[in-house]
Amino acid sequence: DAMVIQNPRYQVTQFGKPVTLSCSQTLNHNVMYWYQQKSSQAPKLLFHYYDKDFNNEADTPDNFQSRRPNTSFCFLDIRSPGLGDAAMYLCATSNWGLGDEKLFFGSGTQLSVL
Amino acid sequence: SQKIEQNSEALNIQEGKTATLTCNYTNYSPAYLQWYRQDPGRGPVFLLLIRENEKEKRKERLKVTFDTTLKQSLFHITASQPADSATYLCALSTGNNRKLIWGLGTSLAVNP
Repeated sequence: DAMVIQNPRYQVTQFGKPVTLSCSQTLNHNVMYWYQQKSSQAPKLLFHYYDKDFNNEADTPDNFQSRRPNTSFCFLDIRSPGLGDAAMYLCATSNWGLGDEKLFFGSGTQLSVL
Repeated sequence: SQKIEQNSEALNIQEGKTATLTCNYTNYSPAYLQWYRQDPGRGPVFLLLIRENEKEKRKERLKVTFDTTLKQSLFHITASQPADSATYLCALSTGNNRKLIWGLGTSLAVNP
C-alpha cells in the first residue's frame, strides 16, 4: 500500500546528461516536496509545491527544476548533473492547513553521476 | 536563524534498555516538533509530533517530551529491540510555513 512512490529506485546518469526523477502519491495531499540528502547529512529542501504554487529555496541551483502536472505527480529535473549532485533524492507529501503536518516520504531515488 | 542539534555520537545500547535521544534548538520555540525514523537507503518515516503547548506524547514504546524552557525535546524508546536500530531525525516547524528544519539525526544501535 505504498502511498508515495518514487521511480526509479536507483538512477545512474552521466555527467551533464539530463535526468528526470518521478514521484506519485495516492494520498491526495496538497503539498509535494523534493529533498536532497547526502550521506550522514540532514535532508535539504530543494523546493515544494503547494497545490500548483511552486516554492523554490533560495540556495537551490538553477540546474534543478520541478514540474507538478497534477495533484498526484511531481517530477524533479536535473538539467546538467554534476558529480556533486550524486545523492539520495526524496519526495514527500503533506496535507497542509488541515492540522496534519506530518510528512510522508517515498523510498527515495539514489542518483549516481559518472 | 533556527538551528537544531542532535546527539552527534552514535548511541549503542543493550536490548531491553531505554534509549534516550536529544534534540536541542536555538532561538525561538517552534510551533511543533517531529521525530522521524530513517533506515539506510530509505526515506524517513514519521513517528511522533509534539506541539509547543504539550509536555509529553506517547505512542506504544515511544515517548517524546518538549521543554520550551530548556529548548529541548527528548525521544525515548523503552524496552528497546534490535529492530529499533536506525537513525532518528528531529525536525521542527515555526508553524507559519510549510517547511521543516531538520537535525542531522542520531544513529541508534540496539545490541542483542
